[in-house]
Amino acid sequence: SAVISQKPSRDICQRGTSLTIQCQVDSQVTMMFWYRQQPGQSLTLIATANQGSEATYESGFVIDKFPISRPNLTFSTLTVSNMSPEDSSIYLCSVDRGGETQYFGPGTRLLVL
Amino acid sequence: SQQGEEDPQALSIQEGENATMNCSYKTSINNLQWYRQNSGRGLVHLILIRSNEREKHSGRLRVTLDTSKKSSSLLITASRAADTASYFCATDPYSGNTPLVFGKGTRLSVIA
Repeated sequence: SAVISQKPSRDICQRGTSLTIQCQVDSQVTMMFWYRQQPGQSLTLIATANQGSEATYESGFVIDKFPISRPNLTFSTLTVSNMSPEDSSIYLCSVDRGGETQYFGPGTRLLVL
Repeated sequence: SQQGEEDPQALSIQEGENATMNCSYKTSINNLQWYRQNSGRGLVHLILIRSNEREKHSGRLRVTLDTSKKSSSLLITASRAADTASYFCATDPYSGNTPLVFGKGTRLSVIA
């Protein structure tokens, strides 16, 4: 398994501001994934973060709104920029350690007022 | 985009009963994984079944996979109140290092 931590665990933010979410893994991984889970919904992939290259974004998600950094093999950040109430969601990072099982962090619960 | 569809969307049972959740998907897969999520927290991995497997057990969990019908089921036997959670299936079209495609989930309530 993998031990994944996320910071912050939750936050309440004002619209128009930005929040950076951190994801730390206990071992080196090639790929990290960022998902969004809107209230009462399932998970939707935002982007794939590969160390040393630009993140790959899914349709409907853009770098200006969700910039991602991947400075090394154990860490990534996702920023939610210029937030609006529609950004209120749980944001989760996950990793695949080269096998098939994906492990998820505990999530960051964001409420935008 | 979401590939899987779970049914039922919500299920309420008495403690001790069995709970069955179904998942259907649209494209070919390498494996299918089931996750549990308690109260909007992180996802806990329950079980992975590969495309060449038909059934798998883990404790009180039994998963089946029918690739001809593109469907899977998760059976929880002798349910407990602590099993109350949302359950998601997720498909992996390749073999690792690729993002999963999640179904909509089933909210299970086990009443003591």
